Amino acid sequence: EAGVTQFPSHSVIEKGQTVTLRCDPISGHDNLYWYRRVMGKEIKFLLHFVKESKQDESGMPNNRFLAERTGGTYSTLKVQPAELEDSGVYFCASSQTQVGYEQYFGPGTRLTVT
Amino acid sequence: KQEVTQIPAALSVPEGENLVLNCSFTDSAIYNLQWFRQDPGKGLTSLLLIQSSQREQTSGRLNASLDKSSGRSTLYIAASQPGDSATYLCAATHRNQFYFGTGTSLTVIP
Repeated sequence: EAGVTQFPSHSVIEKGQTVTLRCDPISGHDNLYWYRRVMGKEIKFLLHFVKESKQDESGMPNNRFLAERTGGTYSTLKVQPAELEDSGVYFCASSQTQVGYEQYFGPGTRLTVT
Repeated sequence: KQEVTQIPAALSVPEGENLVLNCSFTDSAIYNLQWFRQDPGKGLTSLLLIQSSQREQTSGRLNASLDKSSGRSTLYIAASQPGDSATYLCAATHRNQFYFGTGTSLTVIP
């Protein structure tokens, strides 16, 4: 069974540009999460989807970040326009149920904004 | 607000030694606590998940304990091996969100 996959693995963009990150969860997992780790800090929650609905987006830093999960399968996280402080590693995770079950993480996308 | 702390930030031990990694959290109202391993450039691999009603979980040479009242969890690694070298992260589920510690970077010296 394939695990959580993320694309691209690494992205380097200039300040002001747009970047879209993609996450494909484990098949059958209704719950999808986005996290971010900036340099030297802990991994922080961004948002949580249950199928195609946003269950909790309290961790989204500002309105430059837009997450979608059309059809309840893969998800995209768009950053527009990107700022220097957006640099970091963006992780996606999925789980079968919301709580009580393990979250399975993807390898992450390293975003560098120059 | 839940805060998760891991001590030490880095640890270096000779091969074969038993070791303990510590994780503390400020709000005891957690649903569960999960330990992860992260290798350089890779994602997070789940090691052990402890539900709030449990005291410990074991998998092979790994044993994780949970003491909610004191806000602590420990990950015990027996007979450490060079392949155990990685960053170990704990994460507490609190109000349907995951709160991560900053991790402990472990190096096992052959």
